[in-house]
Order: sequence, then C-alpha cells, then structure tokens
Amino acid sequence: GENVEQHPSTLSVQEGDSAVIKCTYSDSASNYFPWYKQELGKRPQLIIDIRSNVGEKKDQRIAVTLNKTAKHFSLHITETQPEDSAVYFCAADSGGGADGLTFGKGTHLIIQP
Amino acid sequence: EAQVTQNPRYLITVTGKKLTVTCSQNMNHEYMSWYRQDPGLGLRQIYYSMNVEVTDKGDVPEGYKVSRKEKRNFPLILESPSPNQTSLYFCASSFGQGMTPQHFGDGTRLSIL
Repeated sequence: GENVEQHPSTLSVQEGDSAVIKCTYSDSASNYFPWYKQELGKRPQLIIDIRSNVGEKKDQRIAVTLNKTAKHFSLHITETQPEDSAVYFCAADSGGGADGLTFGKGTHLIIQP
Repeated sequence: EAQVTQNPRYLITVTGKKLTVTCSQNMNHEYMSWYRQDPGLGLRQIYYSMNVEVTDKGDVPEGYKVSRKEKRNFPLILESPSPNQTSLYFCASSFGQGMTPQHFGDGTRLSIL
C-alpha cells in the first residue's frame, strides 16, 4: 500500500520568514495530494491540494509543488504569520482500492514572534 | 451550512462496554470514512464507505465495525472497547474516493478505562 513520509516533524521559523514542509510517497499511482492544517483542538481543514497533472499551485501565501518523477511534494508558506502556527498534514490518494487517502505523520509549525 | 457532525464529542467509558459514535453529513457525499489520530502517528484510516451498503477496511480496522444503511450516516461501533482504542476519532466525507478533498467532523475524544 501507499506510504507517505513527512519532514520535519517540528519546524520553528521567525515571523515573516518562509516555511517549507516536504513529503514523499511510494505509490506511483497516487494522483491527488491534499494538505491539511490542524489547529490545536480543531479538525483538519484542507488548505491547498494538487493533482498529478500539475507541477505547482499557489494560493496567496501558500504554494504546493509536485515532482512525480521523484515522488515528492512540498508545501511552501511565505511571509509567515502567528496564525500559521498549527500542525500540517500532507496526504496522497491513489484514487482507488483499499488505500484511499494516506496521511503523513504531521509537522508542527511554530512561528516565533 | 455544509457540515459533518459527530456525536458524542467526548466520552469516557470502561473496557467492554459497547459504544457507538455517530457521524452524519448533509452534503449528499458518497464517500465517508473514519480515522483515528494518535500522537506521533498522524491520521490512520479505520474504515471507509464508497456508497450505501458498501464498506471496506482501512489501515487499522481491528476492534471496530461500521455500517452504511443511509447515505448521510456512517456510525462507528466499538463492540468491546479496550484501552488501546483511547484516541481522537474523526469522521470525514467527500464526493468520491479519489481526487476530492475530504471534509472532517469536529472529532470525538474517546477514553477507555
């Protein structure tokens, strides 16, 4: 089945700096890659996603890149703000079979004032 | 308002006492799933359902049951709960299994003593 590795597990950056979180996946059939943000005590919420026919997608301060050959994708947050502090999860979806959506173990992003 | 509703939000119970966590969505989604979230392990899929009367095991199905008699409801059943099932549980739904974002409920925190 699919295996998703996420790094780092904790990331601390100064407010205003950029943050990058990286994920790798194992199943070359995976074709959909969402990112979720989970604030303390809250549910995961989708912040951006990318499909396998696209290499990069941006939404204001957030961007995601996908390298299908290397089987890795990354989340980029620019001009970080205190409200960006949260746990971020990447996921990969093969679109069929028993695997469904497989999540990485999460990255705790800390924005230092 | 589009939402996934879980009940109860919190439950403390004892080993062996059957319990059910309900999940209901109002978006006419076909695909529903259950996850458990444990520190350091991220989100792991327990069971999923692609439509009414169609359910299948995820990554960690042992000790759980589900049913999908109606499109909107997908209850999670613990027939004989044990302490290792103490966790934070999330129900999620989407239009389809692949290529679509999942909407999560607010979570149910279960403590099995």
